[in-house]
Amino acid sequence: EVQLVESGGDLVHPGRSLRLSCTASGFTFGDYAMSWFSQAPGKGLEWVGLIRSKAYGGTTEYAASVKGRFTISRDDSKSIAYLQMNSLRTEDTAVYYCSRGFIPPVSAWWFDPWGQGTLVTVSS
Amino acid sequence: SSELTQDPAVSVALGQTVRITCQGDSLRSFYASWYQQKPGQAPVLVIYGRNNRPSGIPDRFSGSSSGNTASLTITGAQAEDEADYYCNSRDSSGNHVLFGGGTKLTVL
Repeated sequence: EVQLVESGGDLVHPGRSLRLSCTASGFTFGDYAMSWFSQAPGKGLEWVGLIRSKAYGGTTEYAASVKGRFTISRDDSKSIAYLQMNSLRTEDTAVYYCSRGFIPPVSAWWFDPWGQGTLVTVSS
Repeated sequence: SSELTQDPAVSVALGQTVRITCQGDSLRSFYASWYQQKPGQAPVLVIYGRNNRPSGIPDRFSGSSSGNTASLTITGAQAEDEADYYCNSRDSSGNHVLFGGGTKLTVL
């Protein structure tokens, strides 16, 4: 069974940092892109960013709202994707989900499955 | 354009057919995917690509696309289909991901 489990969510003060982890099982992790999403309380889904597989250069893409503050990385030997969140703001408060990405170069993208999410609260 | 637009709420009588739409310029270039999210749960992919259902998704769910509009159709809506539905697409640059604001489906 394909499974993704996020961890690392916490209550942090504005300006501080936090690292989330997404541990995968049930598939060959290194063959897939991984993506992070957020959902603020009572709000819709937002894309945070993604990291491609090593076969596609392991390159990253980020939403404008987090570019320069958040960094996505991966450890294929451990089947873990990370979201390093720096300079956190109150508006970053959200549940953060990771998902396996199907991102062919020239056609539609989709994301499946999703983890259960981990809550990040940024507050003083 | 960097937006996908969905109606905030739609309702359907039990057993009837409902269409949920998503509009955006990027949909002229890329198919949408659709996600179902029930309260307190993670999103679940229900439609991707031209009109593909992941394993385990009932065949009452289908997708279509025309011009700048993608649609998710539920034929014979069931009580368990009551949820929020989000569309998603690549943006026009091809390197970023867009989401619609979500549609809350109520099954009456």
